[in-house]
Amino acid sequence: NAGVTQTPKFRVLKTGQSMTLLCAQDMNHEYMYWYRQDPGMGLRLIHYSVGEGTTAKGEVPDGYNVSRLKKQNFLLGLESAAPSQTSVYFCASSYPAPLMFFGEGSRLTVL
Amino acid sequence: AQKITQTQPGMFVQEKEAVTLDCTYDTSDQSYGLFWYKQPSSGEMIFLIYQGSYDEQNATEGRYSLNFQKARKSANLVISASQLGDSAMYFCAMTFTGANNLFFGTGTRLTVIP
Repeated sequence: NAGVTQTPKFRVLKTGQSMTLLCAQDMNHEYMYWYRQDPGMGLRLIHYSVGEGTTAKGEVPDGYNVSRLKKQNFLLGLESAAPSQTSVYFCASSYPAPLMFFGEGSRLTVL
Repeated sequence: AQKITQTQPGMFVQEKEAVTLDCTYDTSDQSYGLFWYKQPSSGEMIFLIYQGSYDEQNATEGRYSLNFQKARKSANLVISASQLGDSAMYFCAMTFTGANNLFFGTGTRLTVIP
């Protein structure tokens, strides 16, 4: 009964380092999403995917890249981390619509 | 453009009382969906309730109900008989035809007082 799983849950990076967040879902959902959550701003969409091999930009895509090589996985990459990318990142999936299921979040700190 | 507004940054309610969390939205689309999610201190996003724009009845899920007033473009969440475990952040969100994501409000932090 895993649903949506994000790894890692916590990460501290130095400015300029790179990292990848992994999202895995076991519900055979077509759509997957990456959001970031910052204080007072709700959740904002970074990138999303409507199926294996597809990706699209969301509201705040700059500084991030994504890949969806397998239907169940959606990777979020930071090539050169910046302090402005300190945030809590949420992955979500949906059938495609309308109900979204979220992972537990990944807290990233960039020093 | 679609916009979701939650004007109450924080709310307090006495245990066992009812509370209403406000949400207004702005869209020119006729077909859309409205959601409420709960985010406890542990951080996960928990789906509470959904209302479609063409649904004639207000949605209810246990102690949660959605007061949908289409003409006023509001979708307030009503929690009856508040419990200490209801203390959390609550987000209103919407989607619309052709959209591939949810648009979120900024959230309301609810604190239930014993």
